[in-house]
Amino acid sequence: QKEVEQNSGPLSVPEGAIASLNCTYSDRGSQSFFWYRQYSGKSPELIMFIYSNGDKEDGRFTAQLNKASQYVSLLIRDSQPSDSATYLCASPGQAGTALIFGKGTTLSVSS
Amino acid sequence: GAVVSQHPSRVICKSGTSVKIECRSLDFQATTMFWYRQFPKQSLMLMATSNEGSKATYEQGVEKDKFLINHASLTLSTLTVTSAHPEDSSFYICSARGVRSDYGYTFGSGTRLTVV
Repeated sequence: QKEVEQNSGPLSVPEGAIASLNCTYSDRGSQSFFWYRQYSGKSPELIMFIYSNGDKEDGRFTAQLNKASQYVSLLIRDSQPSDSATYLCASPGQAGTALIFGKGTTLSVSS
Repeated sequence: GAVVSQHPSRVICKSGTSVKIECRSLDFQATTMFWYRQFPKQSLMLMATSNEGSKATYEQGVEKDKFLINHASLTLSTLTVTSAHPEDSSFYICSARGVRSDYGYTFGSGTRLTVV
């Protein structure tokens, strides 16, 4: 059974700081990883996906993948109070199959 | 971008009745639809996977006779919760995947079901 693990938090950072969210996965064969943001009572919204080792940047967000360590992270620069949400890490069980989600990390950005 | 429309967004029903939730892919063909359930402060749990024109595959512990899934076309999938009970109260979310890989996984807006 493939698993995706996240620290549930809460992670608290001041406004303007860098928030670092981490995720580990059990299946060394996993190829793709997705980061979603979910506000309370809402559906998840995609922030980024990453397939290759290394970093991928999109605006204030940077995803980092280290397949050797089976580790995925999401960095949020210049954190804003509007970034306060639960961040979900996910990976398909197999290519094209359903996403397996971690339990999510709750981020709180204080102004 | 790819959009999945999910309705209703919120429904309250009496115990013992059935509720249908619809998910429509608006600008792409959803060859596969995934149905999730999320209880408060918990993560998304996969209930079932359906491919257009085929019977749904249910995850272990999910009653297929209680949660009826229909995926008769490439743009519409439905989840019917039959004989709903208060313990079925949850947030139900669909996720569609199209033929093109760059669409990834597109989520509906979710349905908050409350059974009273």
